[in-house]
Amino acid sequence: LAKTTQPISMDSYEGQEVNITCSHNNIATNDYITWYQQFPSQGPRFIIQGYKTKVTNEVASLFIPADRKSSTLSLPRVSLSDTAVYYCLVGFFSGGYNKLIFGAGTRLAVHP
Amino acid sequence: IAGITQAPTSQILAAGRRMTLRCTQDMRHNAMYWYRQDLGLGLRLIHYSNTAGTTGKGEVPDGYSVSRANTDDFPLTLASAVPSQTSVYFCASSDSAGTSADTQYFGPGTRLTVL
Repeated sequence: LAKTTQPISMDSYEGQEVNITCSHNNIATNDYITWYQQFPSQGPRFIIQGYKTKVTNEVASLFIPADRKSSTLSLPRVSLSDTAVYYCLVGFFSGGYNKLIFGAGTRLAVHP
Repeated sequence: IAGITQAPTSQILAAGRRMTLRCTQDMRHNAMYWYRQDLGLGLRLIHYSNTAGTTGKGEVPDGYSVSRANTDDFPLTLASAVPSQTSVYFCASSDSAGTSADTQYFGPGTRLTVL
């Protein structure tokens, strides 16, 4: 079963830009790429979603190259409250079912 | 407040016992999901339901069963719990038919310990 790959952890400082990359080699043609954020003792919550090229909202940007085999979540000017685990989500067709696969997550620590 | 509720919040269970985790959503979403979260492994899909009356197996379905009798409820049952099922369980729902284009809304989780 295909899977996604993300860095296990990252460190940053307040005010810096953070880029987290997810690899998803077997992404299906119709699948979107979605990123979620999770704080301790809470369920994940939606950050951003895209299909190709670049998407930007009030929280983040998402960069997707033409081959769509990876994606990069960009968080501008992070603050201490951005310390969380970030998950990359894509859907894979396997055995006739659209099985949704989360990456293992990237633990981002933002320091003063 | 609209959203997803899960019960219980936490539970300690003896191995071999039967346990049902409850999940209810009031957003009238078609699709619902159960995930387990373990340290270092992220979130793994256990079972899903694209619409009331249908269910499907996710990445790690063994030892778990689900039912979807109506739109709002999606209980997860452990017929005979084992220690390896110690985990945090999250229920989620989405508006569409369970594709990766959906935004999933997650419940607060149930922390289950099997001794």
